[in-house]
Amino acid sequence: NAGVTQTPKFQVLKTGQSMTLQCAQDMNHEYMSWYRQDPGMGLRLIHYSVGAGITDQGEVPNGYNVSRSTTEDFPLRLLSAAPSQTSVYFCASGLAGPYNEQFFGPGTRLTVL
Amino acid sequence: KQEVTQIPAALSVPEGENLVLNCSFTDSAIYNLQWFRQDPGKGLTSLLLIQSSQREQTSGRLNASLDKSSGRSTLYIAASQPGDSATYLCAVMRGGSNYKLTFGKGTLLTVNP
Repeated sequence: NAGVTQTPKFQVLKTGQSMTLQCAQDMNHEYMSWYRQDPGMGLRLIHYSVGAGITDQGEVPNGYNVSRSTTEDFPLRLLSAAPSQTSVYFCASGLAGPYNEQFFGPGTRLTVL
Repeated sequence: KQEVTQIPAALSVPEGENLVLNCSFTDSAIYNLQWFRQDPGKGLTSLLLIQSSQREQTSGRLNASLDKSSGRSTLYIAASQPGDSATYLCAVMRGGSNYKLTFGKGTLLTVNP
């Protein structure tokens, strides 16, 4: 199993550009989520999904869109990048339910100029 | 609102020492607590998951305890090695359908040869 994979590893954008961060998992996990990690702020939940076709907002969803057309993939879209979105983005997955371990991908480091 | 605090923020020890990392949380109504390791520029690696009904979990040289009523968890590392140097994060999952993890800001551990 590859686990949770994310692409790209690094990305530099200009303000106003759009892009998609890719996340895939091969563990047949129902639950997938996106976090951002910022110095002094810790990790914060952006969006999550409890299954294909079902997504919902986390605590910092503004400026981001998600969709879940398959169990394996959960892309994160930045519609119009802003410098405040400079961060490290992590995708996570796990079995649905509150008693299950979550597994994180290697992260995407995004810089918005 | 759940808040997670990790003390100390940084710790430097000589190789071979046993050490304890601390994690406290404000709301004891949690489903589970998970300890992660993060190496510089890398993703999060899950170390141990403790369910709310459990008191401790062990994996190799690591032992994590949970006292839900007092809102505390400790991660004990026995016979520390330079390869243990990393940031250690604890995260709690509270109730609700989003399975959100609330993270502490981490303890940066340095084990000196």
